[in-house]
Amino acid sequence: AQSVTQPDIHITVSEGASLELRCNYSYGATPYLFWYVQSPGQGLQLLLKYFSGDTLVQGIKGFEAEFKRSQSSFNLRKPSVHWSDAAEYFCAVGALLTGNQFYFGTGTSLTVIP
Amino acid sequence: EAGVAQSPRYKIIEKRQSVAFWCNPISGHATLYWYQQILGQGPKLLIQFQNNGVVDDSQLPKDRFSAERLKGVDSTLKIQPAKLEDSAVYLCASSLVGTGPYNEQFFGPGTRLTVL
Repeated sequence: AQSVTQPDIHITVSEGASLELRCNYSYGATPYLFWYVQSPGQGLQLLLKYFSGDTLVQGIKGFEAEFKRSQSSFNLRKPSVHWSDAAEYFCAVGALLTGNQFYFGTGTSLTVIP
Repeated sequence: EAGVAQSPRYKIIEKRQSVAFWCNPISGHATLYWYQQILGQGPKLLIQFQNNGVVDDSQLPKDRFSAERLKGVDSTLKIQPAKLEDSAVYLCASSLVGTGPYNEQFFGPGTRLTVL
């Protein structure tokens, strides 16, 4: 069955420091991969997505993610975190084999300290 | 461009009562999704519509949950009767075309349901 794992429930970083949020997926074929951000009281906003091609994808707000098939990972990175990046981050995988299902991870909560 | 609208934003009910949520997708978006997000978990897809037809409702607890999208635009999600474990945020999302998982979904702010 398809699944998405985000091993880190909560991460705290200092403003200006680099960030990496981990995401591992389980899927039998090439997945459609997404990262969403959810600020308090807000809906989810798409940061970036990977379907095929270049394994390093650029997104909004200075985020990027790298698809590594050998590791079944799609980690999100940002070189310098801003206080406004504090939010909940969700990795998701889209699957064609099961009726166009869309699976989210459990999320990583990011705290940014001054 | 207006985003996905949902109402109400918050709802508190007692168990065994009924509740309904409303969603208005982005204009022109054919596909509409309802998700349930329990505290500490990622959103779980409940049902997906393409226009006014159901594409996938495999994870919808049909004994108590129902959803409709009669004119292919607005949608309502109903719970009857509610249980304590239904306490969650209910998210509505829409996408422009197609039913594939590669279509970008635009999410509304959600309705936070508390069942006492």
